[in-house]
Amino acid sequence: QKEVEQDPGPLSVPEGAIVSLNCTYSNSAFQYFMWYRQYSRKGPELLMYTYSSGNKEDGRFTAQVDKSSKYISLFIRDSQPSDSATYLCAMRTYAGGSQGNLIFGKGTKLSVKP
Amino acid sequence: EAQVTQNPRYLITVTGKKLTVTCSQNMNHEYMSWYRQDPGLGLRQIYYSMNVEVTDKGDVPEGYKVSRKEKRNFPLILESPSPNQTSLYFCASSLFRTQETQYFGPGTRLLVL
Repeated sequence: QKEVEQDPGPLSVPEGAIVSLNCTYSNSAFQYFMWYRQYSRKGPELLMYTYSSGNKEDGRFTAQVDKSSKYISLFIRDSQPSDSATYLCAMRTYAGGSQGNLIFGKGTKLSVKP
Repeated sequence: EAQVTQNPRYLITVTGKKLTVTCSQNMNHEYMSWYRQDPGLGLRQIYYSMNVEVTDKGDVPEGYKVSRKEKRNFPLILESPSPNQTSLYFCASSLFRTQETQYFGPGTRLLVL
């Protein structure tokens, strides 16, 4: 079982839809969770990060972490064509007072149609 | 403008011909890292550097070398490239290793024939 699982999609939605992107993980030592957005022919850029279970909201984006289920989600409200990109989840362990390197999911390709 | 630059952006080479991909950042970041991105495999870390003269292996270091002689530069060296190193390569930097915001370069697309 891979450490981080992410459905690669592609996911196609109409403009204005609510988008749900998800990752599951197997390592309970993962404590820091991030979402990166990667436009075509560009490097990834950090979208959101969270340390704890629960929800974190930033504009149209909400990151949700459920550590008991080892499941994280990114919700995009009122999706726009400019949201069309590949979304990568990433996570980092924390154990013994030390943080590990980032482990990335494979990415989900999202297309928002006008 | 704060940025990470990589050169070249595109490279076609042949098996066994040594090549270097340069990476430079202008943010005085201590931590720099190289990733490769492959379809179906995602982004995987090759090497990272915590500071000048301090480097360590990531998840897929075989066939690669790095050096960190200056804080701003972190070149990736392929001594004898092979076709399985055909990939999209990203350099990234951050102030320290555990900082969430890593700044990624624009990528280098490498094809090894």
